[in-house]
Amino acid sequence: EDQVTQSPEALRLQEGESSSLNCSYTVSGLRGLFWYRQDPGKGPEFLFTLYSAGEEKEKERLKATLTKKESFLHITAPKPEDSATYLCAVRTDNYGQNFVFGPGTRLSVLP
Amino acid sequence: DAMVIQNPRYQVTQFGKPVTLSCSQTLNHNVMYWYQQKSSQAPKLLFHYYDKDFNNEADTPDNFQSRRPNTSFCFLDIRSPGLGDAAMYLCATSRQGGGQPQHFGDGTRLSIL
Repeated sequence: EDQVTQSPEALRLQEGESSSLNCSYTVSGLRGLFWYRQDPGKGPEFLFTLYSAGEEKEKERLKATLTKKESFLHITAPKPEDSATYLCAVRTDNYGQNFVFGPGTRLSVLP
Repeated sequence: DAMVIQNPRYQVTQFGKPVTLSCSQTLNHNVMYWYQQKSSQAPKLLFHYYDKDFNNEADTPDNFQSRRPNTSFCFLDIRSPGLGDAAMYLCATSRQGGGQPQHFGDGTRLSIL
């Protein structure tokens, strides 16, 4: 069975304190790994897609990387507006069009 | 901007009173999804349409049904809402193809009195 876990469950950072969020997966036939940001009371906002080990994507203070068993979302010099829940999801051969979501990491960045 | 729009943003209904949530998209994506999300949990897939082909998740209660009259619109019907159905309902779309991302609307927050 395909599984996705995320750690930590919650993370509190001071503004400017860089850190990383982890998404670990056990799947058969990865078709894509996706990172989303979700603000309270809103739908998930698409950030990145990663397809193969070694791939990296960047957007402003965020950088996503992928290995054969995990992905990291690196946050450099975060600001309070980066506070949100970050969700990781995978598409696999088992699930076709569907996603398997991780439980998310709640990030709080304090001024 | 192309987007996924859900109406209403907030819906209050009474226990047992049928309710319909709607979703429209301007992305022209052929796959549409309905998710249920409860507080501090990941979204849980209820069903999806691949064009007009309806796919129900095995654990989706019979109380939940869906309609997709055309490419742009999709509806979620809850026939007899119970207290446990209070949640955020998210609609998403994607192009077909294994590596395509899903694009989400901002959801409908459903409350049951």
